[in-house]
Amino acid sequence: DIQMTQSPSSLSASVGDRVIITCRASQSISSYLNWYQKKPGKAPKLLIYAASRLQSGVPSRFSGSGSGTDFTLTISSLQPEDFATYYCQQSYGTYTFGQGTKLEIK
Amino acid sequence: QVQLQESGPGLVKPSETLSLTCIVSGGSVSSGDYYWNWIRQPPGKGLEWIGYMHDRGSTNYNPSLKSRVAISVDTSKNEFFLKLSSVTAADTAVYYCARVTMVRGHMFFDHWGQGTLVTVSS
Repeated sequence: DIQMTQSPSSLSASVGDRVIITCRASQSISSYLNWYQKKPGKAPKLLIYAASRLQSGVPSRFSGSGSGTDFTLTISSLQPEDFATYYCQQSYGTYTFGQGTKLEIK
Repeated sequence: QVQLQESGPGLVKPSETLSLTCIVSGGSVSSGDYYWNWIRQPPGKGLEWIGYMHDRGSTNYNPSLKSRVAISVDTSKNEFFLKLSSVTAADTAVYYCARVTMVRGHMFFDHWGQGTLVTVSS
């Protein structure tokens, strides 16, 4: 299996901050990388697919970059509704997810 | 708008078979454009893909669960199903059904159910 490692595991930030979450794959996955937002009791929501393509309806403050083994999710200016857990997921091989990054209010 | 909703028992005894249904509305499980998946999240842990059903019959399962998993479909009811046999406490999790879409070769989960908690306990 391709292992996905996210960092940090948790992060405290304030409204208006710029936040970067990283995801590293255990082998090259080209750009077969997706990002999701999950809030407690809610279904995960797709933010970014193919490493950098913004899903329809997702605010432009979210962006993704990277290829090969190293990827980032950037939130340019945190809004109150962005406090959640974020997961990366690869679709190069058998689907696997990162362990999640919990974004909390400072 | 596609919607998915999981249903099934919230409590299953060890060694028995876990059975869940995903009811799909706003889209057809018969469509060859999509893959219909099950994913789970044990308490306090990350997300684990279980498997998918595609094009009314073909399936693909996570190798770690393959010997115990079966995913099937009822096109007349627009539903698909998960069966996981010989369950243990390690199978306690929130189970999600989700749709995978493919765009230019890239596959991603674009619609999810709300999830249902299944506890394995005697």
